[in-house]
Amino acid sequence: AQSVTQPDIHITVSEGASLELRCNYSYGATPYLFWYVQSPGQGLQLLLKYFSGDTLVQGIKGFEAEFKRSQSSFNLRKPSVHWSDAAEYFCAVDKGGGFKTIFGAGTRLFVKA
Amino acid sequence: GAVVSQHPSWVICKSGTSVKIECRSLDFQATTMFWYRQFPKQSLMLMATSNEGSKATYEQGVEKDKFLINHASLTLSTLTVTSAHPEDSSFYICSARDNMNTEAFFGQGTRLTVV
Repeated sequence: AQSVTQPDIHITVSEGASLELRCNYSYGATPYLFWYVQSPGQGLQLLLKYFSGDTLVQGIKGFEAEFKRSQSSFNLRKPSVHWSDAAEYFCAVDKGGGFKTIFGAGTRLFVKA
Repeated sequence: GAVVSQHPSWVICKSGTSVKIECRSLDFQATTMFWYRQFPKQSLMLMATSNEGSKATYEQGVEKDKFLINHASLTLSTLTVTSAHPEDSSFYICSARDNMNTEAFFGQGTRLTVV
């Protein structure tokens, strides 16, 4: 069964510092990969997605993610974090073509001044 | 991207009553819809998958008689929480996809509080 692992439950970063959130997946083939952000009490917002092609994916709000097949990883990065980036971040995976999306446990990002 | 709308955004109901949550795809035909539940400070857990005109497929541990899912049209799926109890209080989120898109589109979620 496919699964998604986000090893960090929470991360604290200073405003202006760089950020990397880790995500590993377990699936035989290359799945479709996503990063979502959720502010408290809100729905999900898609940051970026990877289906195929260039392994470095650019998203909204200055985020990017890199797919590394050899490491089964899809880590999210941002060069300079803003206080408004504080939220919960979810990595997700699906097989595409109508299959269900499975979410990781999430990583809570705290941004300190 | 495509738009998925959930209604209501929040609802409070008395214990023992039933609550219906609607999920609509506004600008595409959703052949498949998914329902998730999210408890506070936890991840989204898939409850069930529904295909238009077919019975929903429930994930292990989800009571199909308690969480009734209807996907009668290509633009509407409903989740009915029957005989709701306080432990059913949660954030419920739907997503929808069609045969063309490679991703599912999510609704804004419904906060259910059972008192």
